Amino acid sequence: SQELEQSPQSLIVQEGKNLTINCTSSKTLYGLYWYKQKYGEGLIFLMMLQKGGEEKSHEKITAKLDEKKQQSSLHITASQPSHAGIYLCGADHSGGSNYKLTFGKGTLLTVNP
Amino acid sequence: SAVISQKPSRDICQRGTSLTIQCQVDSQVTMMFWYRQQPGQSLTLIATANQGSEATYESGFVIDKFPISRPNLTFSTLTVSNMSPEDSSIYLCSVKRNTEAFFGQGTRLTVV
Repeated sequence: SQELEQSPQSLIVQEGKNLTINCTSSKTLYGLYWYKQKYGEGLIFLMMLQKGGEEKSHEKITAKLDEKKQQSSLHITASQPSHAGIYLCGADHSGGSNYKLTFGKGTLLTVNP
Repeated sequence: SAVISQKPSRDICQRGTSLTIQCQVDSQVTMMFWYRQQPGQSLTLIATANQGSEATYESGFVIDKFPISRPNLTFSTLTVSNMSPEDSSIYLCSVKRNTEAFFGQGTRLTVV
């Protein structure tokens, strides 16, 4: 099974609505990264969470890491068409040595005006 | 953040040929990585590019197919050798700076 499961796979919302994307890990998370990707392009860094219970916000996007450090959620408030894209979570399961990121399959977000 | 310049941004190549992708970072970084994103899939790590030593490859990736150079702390190249249509993907370089990880804009490779 996947080390990192993202849900939902795709999401269509009306502009102005709130939405949540989830990322669940089968292993302890030493770092959880959220990125946005426009189709066929590179990844835009959004946020990185490390500590259990941590929450970070940037503009209308908030990300949380649960206390057990195995699940994270990304919440967008009052969505806009500019939020459309693919949201990817990436996990550091290494805890320091042999650092690398494992990625979920992504959530395709469509925001209808 | 880190400014990462990746070249080329896209290319269409004949099967059997090789393509070298360059990644230039705006400042020195210890850790650089190369990822592949196959159509409709998520990112998979190919290798960690180590300065002054051979790259460390992930399971399923070999140096003969994906040779990597890392001549200094701001630059790395990935070569995709003897290409086949199955190598059609987006290739991305990434750097780790403190606790954050940044990505280049990617190279969209199509092999015909």
